[in-house]
Parts: sequence; structure tokens; C-alpha cells
Amino acid sequence: GAVVSQHPSRVICKSGTSVKIECRSLDFQATTMFWYRQFPKQSLMLMATSNEGSKATYEQGVEKDKFLINHASLTLSTLTVTSAHPEDSSFYICSARQVADTQYFGPGTRLTVL
Amino acid sequence: GENVEQHPSTLSVQEGDSAVIKCTYSDSASNYFPWYKQELGKGPQLIIDIRSNVGEKKDQRIAVTLNKTAKHFSLHITETQPEDSAVYFCAETDSGGGADGLTFGKGTHLIIQP
Repeated sequence: GAVVSQHPSRVICKSGTSVKIECRSLDFQATTMFWYRQFPKQSLMLMATSNEGSKATYEQGVEKDKFLINHASLTLSTLTVTSAHPEDSSFYICSARQVADTQYFGPGTRLTVL
Repeated sequence: GENVEQHPSTLSVQEGDSAVIKCTYSDSASNYFPWYKQELGKGPQLIIDIRSNVGEKKDQRIAVTLNKTAKHFSLHITETQPEDSAVYFCAETDSGGGADGLTFGKGTHLIIQP
């Protein structure tokens, strides 16, 4: 149980284009999902908290107009990186909270912006 | 959470020996402390967690201890095996405090020498 999937696993795009990443909880409903970013050989940094049916809460320094988050159902949250630039290249990982405070992570999406 | 310090950054042990990774935190409101294992190119995998009302928790070869007074918690892996080689992250959050995203330590690269 507690499986979280992400799609795509890898994406390469041109600078200036937008990319959508999906995060799904496969065997449980998640009222809250989280988006993290991880640069090479670094730790995970929380970008935003996504609550089903309401606006996402962004961490300080994360541009909400650049990283659009939609949590339209209890099993799906999407992150759209708009007008991507090479500095947005990173490993994006979502997590879903099952019960209480336990967070289960997806396999991550490797974004490369050329 | 505010800040989490994790030591050591790299740990090399002989197969069969024990490994200990330590973390300290600064937010006295923190009450949930998970540990994750991350293999190269994959998302973090929850291996054990502990809540502030418990001082120790064990699951087979893995144990976690928490000292709330000193604000530190540790991961103990006994009888290490080659498949234990990975990067381990500690994390913390103030669950129920409204900011439930995890704050991660910088990670420990555990190397099991055969």
C-alpha cells in the first residue's frame, strides 16, 4: 500500500516552454500533497503544499506564477513549470500524506531545460 | 521546522557492522521525525519514523531514538548489508501546526564495504 506515482519520469524541454508533471496516489486518497525540488547531490527542499480543492501554499522564495499547482482530486496533483529556463532543471518529487503525518514519495521527475 | 543538521555527510562501514546517523533540530514545536532512504535517481523511501511521545522505535535491523530535551534523533542500522548502501535523510515537521511540509537534513551517504 501507500504507492505514489509520477509522470513523466524524465522530460527534456526547450527554454521558454511549459512542462506539466503529474503526481498520483494509487491506493489511497490524499487530501494533502507536497512538491519538493532536489538539485544534484543536495537535499530535498519543500516548494509548496497542495490541498485538494483549495489554493496551494508556497514556500518563501518559490514563485507561484512560475510553478502552478492544481490539486483537482483526492488522488491527483499537478505541477506546471511555466516558461522554463535552464536554472529550473532539477529533480522534482511529490509526496502524498496518507494518515496523520506520514508522507510517501513518488519516484521523481527529472526535468532538463535546454 | 526551521533547521535540521545531519552528521556525518559520508559514512563507510564494514558489512555486518552497525551504522549510526545523527540529526539535531531547532524547532521545539517539531513532533514528527521520519527517516528516508534514497537510491540514485529514485524518490525517497520511508524506512522508519517516530513521534514526539515516543523515545525509541525499532523495526528489525533499524531503530530510531529521540531525545526531545536535547533536540536530537538518531538512526541505527545493525548488521549492515550491501543493499543498505544509499543516501539517508532525516526530516522533521510540526505536524498539525499548519506547516506540515518536511524539513530535511542534508543527507548521509552510507557506504557498506563488503
